Amino acid sequence: GESVGLHLPTLSVQEGDNSIINCAYSNSASDYFIWYKQESGKGPQFIIDIRSNMDKRQGQRVTVLLNKTVKHLSLQIAATQPGDSAVYFCAEVPYSGGGADGLTFGKGTHLIIQP
Amino acid sequence: DGGITQSPKYLFRKEGQNVTLSCEQNLNHDAMYWYRQDPGQGLRLIYYSQIVNDFQKGDIAEGYSVSREKKESFPLTVTSAQKNPTAFYLCASSIVQGLDQPQHFGDGTRLSIL
Repeated sequence: GESVGLHLPTLSVQEGDNSIINCAYSNSASDYFIWYKQESGKGPQFIIDIRSNMDKRQGQRVTVLLNKTVKHLSLQIAATQPGDSAVYFCAEVPYSGGGADGLTFGKGTHLIIQP
Repeated sequence: DGGITQSPKYLFRKEGQNVTLSCEQNLNHDAMYWYRQDPGQGLRLIYYSQIVNDFQKGDIAEGYSVSREKKESFPLTVTSAQKNPTAFYLCASSIVQGLDQPQHFGDGTRLSIL
């Protein structure tokens, strides 16, 4: 079946550096993508989303890039802080003509911030 | 504050016992979802509901049941037929109107077997 996955299970960066977390998706019909942050013992927290008619979207300290040609999604976090330590998931929503089907999640990347 | 409340935070099940996990939202969202998360894994969809009195099976519905009698509530029952119930269970909700809306999550219930 089609799935969403992440390239690296763990990413370690120095505090203050920029982080880039990658995600590959295989469903070319996917229409909408979301990045979530999950801290230990908590539920996923929405960070940023992007629609398939866009290739870049910026938020506060975060940027999501979408490359539909190679079916690749990335999350860039600028000037990482200790509070950014968490597991980051990408999720996709295949276009289904409406309705509220569940998201398809990757396994996650654990971002570790080194002091 | 609007949000999703899951209870209890920790739950223990004995062999042959059914247990029910609570999920309540005050976001006025139409759609609600249940996911299961195993260590080091992504989330897998158990059940979802787009409207009151209607729900659909997700990818791993066997051994689980749900009800949606009220818009605000979507309880999940883990039955004795679920042979490997130990996991972190997450409830989510979203606005149905329009395709491109994120799901918002509660803080989960961790279920363990005694």
